Amino acid sequence: DTGVSQNPRHKITKRGQNVTFRCDPISEHNRLYWYRQTLGQGPEFLTYFQNEAQLEKSRLLSDRFSAERPKGSFSTLEIQRTEQGDSAMYLCASSLALMSRVGGYTFGSGTRLTVV
Amino acid sequence: ELKVEQNPLFLSMQEEKNYTIYCNYSTTSDRLYWYRQDPGKSLESLFVLLSNGAVKQEGRLMASLDTKARLSTLHITAAVHDLSATYFCAVGGANSKLTFGKGITLSVRP
Repeated sequence: DTGVSQNPRHKITKRGQNVTFRCDPISEHNRLYWYRQTLGQGPEFLTYFQNEAQLEKSRLLSDRFSAERPKGSFSTLEIQRTEQGDSAMYLCASSLALMSRVGGYTFGSGTRLTVV
Repeated sequence: ELKVEQNPLFLSMQEEKNYTIYCNYSTTSDRLYWYRQDPGKSLESLFVLLSNGAVKQEGRLMASLDTKARLSTLHITAAVHDLSATYFCAVGGANSKLTFGKGITLSVRP
C-alpha cells in the first residue's frame, strides 16, 4: 500500500462544466476526509466519511458539491456547474477511526483544479 | 468557532541561526498537529502533540504544546536550506476534522 492516491493530479475545466475527483485511501483506514486549499491558505475541511457513511459536511460545501464513498473504500468528489472560485487544490486524507492516541492522517498528493 | 492563528506568516531565516514560530488556537482541543508543505505538494506530517507540556523533536525541529495558553511553538535550531517550506499547525480531536492555520512560510537564506 503506497498511501493515499488521488486522481487526476491536475484538472483544467471550463466554467459551468462538471468535474469528478477520486480518492483511494489507505486500505485499512475507515475514515476519509476531503479538504480544499486555496493559494496562501491552510486546508479547509469539506466533508468526511466513516466507512460509507458521510458523517459531517462543512457549511462551505454548497449544493453543487457532492461526495460519495459507495463501498467504504474509494471516494469521489463531484463539483457541478464549476465556477472560477472553485479553483483550488482538493486534498483527500484517511485515518483509522479508533486509532491509537498518536492519531493522525495521511494526506494524498491532491488534485489541482483550475476553472477557466 | 475554533480559530487557529499562526505568526509570523512569513519568516526569512539565516542559515545556522535559531528561530521560533507560533500557533495559537481559540478553544480547548484534544491535540495539535504540525505539517510541512513544499510548493505544489501535499502535507507531510511532522508532529502530533497530545497533552499539556508535550515536547517532540525531530532533527532541527522541536515542537511544544501549552494547552493552558492554547499555544504551540515550533523551534528551529541552526536553520538550513532544506527547511524552507510552509509549516501549518492544525487543531482537532482524535481522528476528527482538523482546523488549520494559514501557515508560515519559512525561507532560509545563506
